[in-house]
Amino acid sequence: QVTVKESGPELVKPTETLTLTCSVSGFSLSNAGVSVSWFRQPPGKALEWLAHIFSNDDTLYNSSLRSRLTISKDPSKGQVVLIMINAAPTDTATYYCARIFDYDILTGGFDPWGQGTLVTVSS
Amino acid sequence: SYVLTQPPSVSMAPGKTARITCGGDNIGSKSVHWYQQMPGQAPVLVISSDSERPSGIPARFSGSTSGNTATLTISRLEAGDEADYYCQVWDTTSDHVIFGGGTKLTVL
Repeated sequence: QVTVKESGPELVKPTETLTLTCSVSGFSLSNAGVSVSWFRQPPGKALEWLAHIFSNDDTLYNSSLRSRLTISKDPSKGQVVLIMINAAPTDTATYYCARIFDYDILTGGFDPWGQGTLVTVSS
Repeated sequence: SYVLTQPPSVSMAPGKTARITCGGDNIGSKSVHWYQQMPGQAPVLVISSDSERPSGIPARFSGSTSGNTATLTISRLEAGDEADYYCQVWDTTSDHVIFGGGTKLTVL
């Protein structure tokens, strides 16, 4: 069964660095053509795309958050990591990761999604 | 940047057909995907590439695009279809994943 699962801290203080991990199962990040994106959803608000990493390690970032984000992967651990620096209360959200294939990036949707992890930024 | 516009809410009676629209400049030239998000749950892909249903999605769900509007159609509505629905495209100009603002479907 193909699954992804997010993990990270429940509470982060303002200005701290937030590190989120997406652990995959049922497929390998070493497989050619496998990509992963990170998303977030503030309480009661819409989905927002954050960052993407392709199978060849190329990356893309939401331009509004580019300076604060770093996405990377460790295929040996089956993990994709998103680092967000300088956290702020406006970063309070449920964070999701999801898989897509490189060849589907223009024509396909993200599937599956993880259950999400809620991160609160507060002092 | 590319913008997708959805109505905030749609209401329809059980057994009827609901249509949720997603407006975007020349969206017909892009591949549109739709996600269902139940309260407190993760999004689930229900329509891919404008009109393709992933495995396990009921045939009551269908999608279409034309001109500046994409439409998710849910026929024979059930109470269990109540959820938020999001449209999504990949904007090749900005290389960004773009979501609509979401539509809350109420089955009453």
